[in-house]
Amino acid sequence: DAMVIQNPRYQVTQFGKPVTLSCSQTLNHNVMYWYQQKSSQAPKLLFHYYDKDFNNEADTPDNFQSRRPNTSFCFLDIRSPGLGDAAMYLCATSRVRGVPGGDTQYFGPGTRLTVL
Amino acid sequence: AQKVTQAQTEISVVEKEDVTLDCVYETRDTTYYLFWYKQPPSGELVFLIRRNSFDEQNEISGRYSWNFQKSTSSFNFTITASQVVDSAVYFCALSELKAGNTPLVFGKGTRLSVIA
Repeated sequence: DAMVIQNPRYQVTQFGKPVTLSCSQTLNHNVMYWYQQKSSQAPKLLFHYYDKDFNNEADTPDNFQSRRPNTSFCFLDIRSPGLGDAAMYLCATSRVRGVPGGDTQYFGPGTRLTVL
Repeated sequence: AQKVTQAQTEISVVEKEDVTLDCVYETRDTTYYLFWYKQPPSGELVFLIRRNSFDEQNEISGRYSWNFQKSTSSFNFTITASQVVDSAVYFCALSELKAGNTPLVFGKGTRLSVIA
């Protein structure tokens, strides 16, 4: 089945120790998104890639970076995690806008990050 | 500016009861999309429905139905004969049609608990 995959599902890191979260998709979608979701809150968009074009949200801290080496994979790098970065990180994909249904975002299962 | 309001933070119902989740949105655009997502305890956001602003027809899918009313800027979601498996957080979201991919704006979510 075509899907959005996130690894690992649970990640524990230490304060200040860099961590990378991974997302892959078999949907062949052009757009990939990273969201941060803290407990009992709505998902908050960090950034997205439209093909290779990177789009950062204005309030995303510099501590968060992303890479998209090819269509299928996208990575979220947290350079120096703080206690406030503990959250669920959700990856999503969508096709190009203008295609019927193309702007629907499909989410992966998320990676729950714990910072000790 | 876009905004989505889900006034109900938490709802509890007994199994087999009907329940309606409210969603009110704000946008200045005439073309936009509305979504509902389900987030079970596992964390994955599951896409339920997308509706564009030109289609005010109500939709029914099994036990789920959606009532879109532009006059009141509402897009409410009803579950008929609720089941324990319906227990989840439900998010309403809005996306405007602009050049490129416009991010989803989520409401804060409604936590539904269905009690056996």
